Amino acid sequence: GAVVSQHPSRVICKSGTSVKIECRSLDFQATTMFWYRQFPKKSLMLMATSNEGSKATYEQGVEKDKFLINHASLTLSTLTVTSAHPEDSSFYICSARDQDSTDTQYFGPGTRLTVL
Amino acid sequence: AQSVTQPDIHITVSEGASLELRCNYSYGATPYLFWYVQSPGQGLQLLLKYFSGDTLVQGIKGFEAEFKRSQSSFNLRKPSVHWSDAAEYFCAVGAGGGNKLTFGTGTQLKVEL
Repeated sequence: GAVVSQHPSRVICKSGTSVKIECRSLDFQATTMFWYRQFPKKSLMLMATSNEGSKATYEQGVEKDKFLINHASLTLSTLTVTSAHPEDSSFYICSARDQDSTDTQYFGPGTRLTVL
Repeated sequence: AQSVTQPDIHITVSEGASLELRCNYSYGATPYLFWYVQSPGQGLQLLLKYFSGDTLVQGIKGFEAEFKRSQSSFNLRKPSVHWSDAAEYFCAVGAGGGNKLTFGTGTQLKVEL
């Protein structure tokens, strides 16, 4: 149980385009999901906390107009990187908190974004 | 502010040898502590967690960790390492497991056959 999926696993796009990444909790309902960014050989940095049905809470320094987060249902959150640039290339990982067991986050497999 | 330090960037051990990965944290209250493992190009898998109670916690894959409040440490151990344990290991601290986590910079484990 407690499986989180992400789609796509890899995406390559041209500079200036937008990319949407989906995060799904497959066998549990997640009132809260988190989006992290991981640079090569670096730690995970929290970008935002997404609560179902409300606006996401962004960490300091994260541009909310550039990284649009939507959490429209208890099993799906999306991250849209708008007007992507090469510096947005990174590994994006989501996690989800089970609403019935709020003490643990379950992580997705990540999405590798490359912006040309 | 909470923080996590993993002082060892890389560690190499021989298969069958024991392993200890260090983690020190800074947190203003009773911390929730976690160890995660990440294989190349993959997400994170939870190895174990500590919230309260027994300070020695057992996890999956034969790992254990000991919480030492006096040393602000939560070191990960395994008595006998397998080649498949080669991966990146992250220690994390949070106000609660379901709340936002602060991660250390990770320790890359290499296992020599």
